[in-house]
Amino acid sequence: GDSVTQMEGPVTLSEEAFLTINCTYTATGYPSLFWYVQYPGEGLQLLLKATKADDKGSNKGFEATYRKETTSFHLEKGSVQVSDSAVYFCALSDTGNQFYFGTGTSLTVIP
Amino acid sequence: NAGVTQTPKFQVLKTGQSMTLQCAQDMNHNSMYWYRQDPGMGLRLIYYSASEGTTDKGEVPNGYNVSRLNKREFSLRLESAAPSQTSVYFCASTGGVTRSYGYTFGSGTRLTVV
Repeated sequence: GDSVTQMEGPVTLSEEAFLTINCTYTATGYPSLFWYVQYPGEGLQLLLKATKADDKGSNKGFEATYRKETTSFHLEKGSVQVSDSAVYFCALSDTGNQFYFGTGTSLTVIP
Repeated sequence: NAGVTQTPKFQVLKTGQSMTLQCAQDMNHNSMYWYRQDPGMGLRLIYYSASEGTTDKGEVPNGYNVSRLNKREFSLRLESAAPSQTSVYFCASTGGVTRSYGYTFGSGTRLTVV
């Protein structure tokens, strides 16, 4: 069945450091891929998405490229800020209206 | 602001008590979902409703029931709460094909069963 695997955390970075959070997926069809962000005490918010191979999703300085050959959708940001501290979830949606979420990666950015 | 509203935000129950978590969306979405979030487990689907009048089990439905009251509202009921149901519960909705539009989430209900 469909599934998502993302790197375990927690991740702690200094402000302005480069961020990569790895995400790989297994799917029988041609899924869409998503990154969601959850700030403390809040629900999940859509950060970015890509609906087909080689698409790049981007938002708020974050980027992720849909790589079919490596079944990956790694999240990157060139210079993190304290305000980026949150939990990040990779997810996929295949046929049908359901999501499959990774377990989440907690990011803490220190000044 | 348009979105998904969950009530209550916090709740403490004693083992064996019952309660209903409420969820309402004002985006005219067809599909609604209930998830639970536990440390190290990510989000797990409890029940979903693809459209008004239909409900289906997700990955972890045991101990829960749902009602799709109308297009706007989708409630989750715990008939006899157990400590294993201590979790954060999220409601979500989508109005189109999920693989194109994704979900909109509520802010969650933090439930503790003692």
